[in-house]
Amino acid sequence: DTGVSQDPRHKITKRGQNVTFRCDPISEHNRLYWYRQTLGQGPEFLTYFQNEAQLEKSRLLSDRFSAERPKGSFSTLEIQRTEQGDSAMYLCASSSRASSYGYNEQFFGPGTRLTVL
Amino acid sequence: QKEVEQDPGPLSVPEGAIVSLNCTYSNSAFQYFMWYRQYSRKGPELLMYTYSSGNKEDGRFTAQVDKSSKYISLFIRDSQPSDSATYLCAMVVGNEKLTFGTGTRLTIIP
Repeated sequence: DTGVSQDPRHKITKRGQNVTFRCDPISEHNRLYWYRQTLGQGPEFLTYFQNEAQLEKSRLLSDRFSAERPKGSFSTLEIQRTEQGDSAMYLCASSSRASSYGYNEQFFGPGTRLTVL
Repeated sequence: QKEVEQDPGPLSVPEGAIVSLNCTYSNSAFQYFMWYRQYSRKGPELLMYTYSSGNKEDGRFTAQVDKSSKYISLFIRDSQPSDSATYLCAMVVGNEKLTFGTGTRLTIIP
């Protein structure tokens, strides 16, 4: 399967612990997005990369959150000192090279479900 | 006020009925309008996207955009139990971040 993959699929942690999630985009997709989805809500944008450059960060991304895409391929999202409010589904999406014409579909992975106890 | 408003439902209809899902938005800069379907504990998958005002049809699905009213709709004809899912509208300026509605949870009753 050549879709977007995320690891782990589920993570349970205690408040105050650090967690790291990984996203592998579709091969040769140069844009990679992170979204967060809480129960009963639509996904909310967190940040996105074009190749290895982080182009935009949401105000939702507090200083406890950091994302990297070191070689323009996979990406990691780290949450330090987790809080119960961080419990959510973290979704990754990728899209091909931005074109001047038309919309470049964002393909979503299955998500990582985080539970902070 | 959110940029994109969507009735969260839930919405239950009998099999074979026509389903109408709607969103309103406030940002006139939005250029592309999408409908995603999300099954429980899965990532969203794109159903359709449109650019201009008017209708776009794909099988049993029709997407409608009215930019003057800042209103978009998705119609599902001959609804099937397999259509039971959460439907998310989403909008974007260019190829940047997606802005989603809250999602409408739809159940098709056999």
